[in-house]
Amino acid sequence: QKEVEQNSGPLSVPEGAIASLNCTYSDRGSQSFFWYRQYSGKSPELIMSIYSNGDKEDGRFTAQLNKASQYVSLLIRDSQPSDSATYLCAGPRGNTGKLIFGQGTTLQVKP
Amino acid sequence: EPEVTQTPSHQVTQMGQEVILRCVPISNHLYFYWYRQILGQKVEFLVSFYNNEISEKSEIFDDQFSVERPDGSNFTLKIRSTKLEDSAMYFCASSTRTSRSDTQYFGPGTRLTVL
Repeated sequence: QKEVEQNSGPLSVPEGAIASLNCTYSDRGSQSFFWYRQYSGKSPELIMSIYSNGDKEDGRFTAQLNKASQYVSLLIRDSQPSDSATYLCAGPRGNTGKLIFGQGTTLQVKP
Repeated sequence: EPEVTQTPSHQVTQMGQEVILRCVPISNHLYFYWYRQILGQKVEFLVSFYNNEISEKSEIFDDQFSVERPDGSNFTLKIRSTKLEDSAMYFCASSTRTSRSDTQYFGPGTRLTVL
């Protein structure tokens, strides 16, 4: 079983719509998760972190964490073509905090 | 805003040669990491480094790999004898890891091409 799983997509949404990106994880002890955005050929760029059950909002982005269901999601409101990228879900593991990444979901926002 | 920097941005080498990838973490960070991403695949953890020693390494990080913090600012990854399958993007990351803040900030990466 993969530790962090994401649907690789592509997920295609029209400009202005809400994009919903999902991630599941296997380690019930996980306490926090991170969403990174990665443009082609570039490095991961942190969008949001979430530590508690529930929702966390930052501008157009909302992260949701459900520890009982081992599920993390990222909502992007008013999607823009510049949001087109691969979104990586990652959770830290162990004492060193190494990040375990999902495969990433490719988002395409069409004008 | 402070950022992680990496050099070179692209390194081309012949199989069997040694390469050194360099990183300058954010100045007040204490935890350092190397990750790699083979084209089309997910980002994979290689090694973590704290207090001048390796704190954890993955199965990928075999005897061909080593890390060093030769001075107060640089953090290097050395691959002693490169193989074709070492071709990938290599990312350095750093964090403060204070209380619940595990946020890791990534450098721009070094694209390693082994011919």
